[in-house]
Amino acid sequence: SQTIHQWPATLVQPVGSPLSLECTVEGTSNPNLYWYRQAAGRGLQLLFYSVGIGQISSEVPQNLSASRPQDRQFILSSKKLLLSDSGFYLCAWSGTTRETQYFGPGTRLLVL
Amino acid sequence: AQSVTQLGSHVSVSEGALVLLRCNYSSSVPPYLFWYVQYPNQGLQLLLKYTSAATLVKGINGFEAEFKKSETSFHLTKPSAHMSDAAEYFCAVSDNTDKLIFGTGTRLQVFP
Repeated sequence: SQTIHQWPATLVQPVGSPLSLECTVEGTSNPNLYWYRQAAGRGLQLLFYSVGIGQISSEVPQNLSASRPQDRQFILSSKKLLLSDSGFYLCAWSGTTRETQYFGPGTRLLVL
Repeated sequence: AQSVTQLGSHVSVSEGALVLLRCNYSSSVPPYLFWYVQYPNQGLQLLLKYTSAATLVKGINGFEAEFKKSETSFHLTKPSAHMSDAAEYFCAVSDNTDKLIFGTGTRLQVFP
């Protein structure tokens, strides 16, 4: 069966520090991969998605970037965090177009 | 462009009462529709999905949803609420790309 992992689970970082969040999927090949942000009291905002290694689509211009160095690994990064980057970051995968997306447990990021 | 509207950011019911969470969508193509549930500090879990087969879709935990094309609705119901149903619920629509469009969520409270 397929599983999706995210780490770390929680992170407290100072403003201006770098960020690296990792997401890995097991039990499937060539998944579509997604990064979402969920701010307090708001819905899910799609940040990036990827249909293959090295293929990244950005949905919202911002302080963040994403990379997919391996088929089942998706990384969310920032060179300098802002206060507004605080939130709950969720990674998801799907098999093909229009298929169900399956979510990881999330990373809670607090920027102080 | 596809969109989802969830009426009511908060819904409160008594234990044993009917749960009704509303979702309306707009889509230029036959939609795929999803309901997800999110418990505190966790990722999203799929409750059910509609993919143009039967209009009444049964999901996990006793939930079901009915696709009504004439009303562009996909409301989520459960005949009898349990305390464990307290969570946030998200409706989502899939367009003909790799993306899901999420509603802003409805927080369900269940009182004893």
